[in-house]
Amino acid sequence: SAVISQKPSRDICQRGTSLTIQCQVDSQVTMMFWYRQQPGQSLTLIATANQGSEATYESGFVIDKFPISRPNLTFSTLTVSNMSPEDSSIYLCSVKSEETQYFGPGTRLLVL
Amino acid sequence: GQQVMQIPQYQHVQEGEDFTTYCNSSTTLSNIQWYKQRPGGHPVFLIQLVKSGEVKKQKRLTFQFGEAKKNSSLHITATQTTDVGTYFCAEYNFNKFYFGSGTKLNVKP
Repeated sequence: SAVISQKPSRDICQRGTSLTIQCQVDSQVTMMFWYRQQPGQSLTLIATANQGSEATYESGFVIDKFPISRPNLTFSTLTVSNMSPEDSSIYLCSVKSEETQYFGPGTRLLVL
Repeated sequence: GQQVMQIPQYQHVQEGEDFTTYCNSSTTLSNIQWYKQRPGGHPVFLIQLVKSGEVKKQKRLTFQFGEAKKNSSLHITATQTTDVGTYFCAEYNFNKFYFGSGTKLNVKP
């Protein structure tokens, strides 16, 4: 199993600012993912965070808006840059360990 | 990209009634995973099915993978209020997960 923590758990930000979300895993994992989830909606994959190389972004998400770092096998950050109210959402990191995907508790972001 | 359709979107049941959610794909699925997300919580992995026609049980939950590996179902027998939440199916393929739209279950005591 894997235990994941995320910081911050929630934040309220002003438009035009940036927020960096941290994801810490209690074990070394190869695959780490970042998702966005609007209230009442499904999960949308933003990118796969690769250790030692650039993240792989999904269609509709770009590095300039959502830069990702993955300095080692237990940690990753996602930055939401130049925020607008449309970025208000829950951001979740997850890891794949064997067959199972484990999620962090999420970061609830409100942009005013 | 892969598309996994899930129905129904919502289901309201009386406690003690059964509940089923279905996942369908137009293409053959490599596998199917099921997750539960409680209100205000994060998704929690329940199970993975890989084989054609596979059936797995967890207490009151029964998971099925279709013979053609294009559909799957999650059935809950005699729902309880603790079953409230959103149930998602997902396929893991091409090094990422493709989630269904989810079924939100509400159980009235």
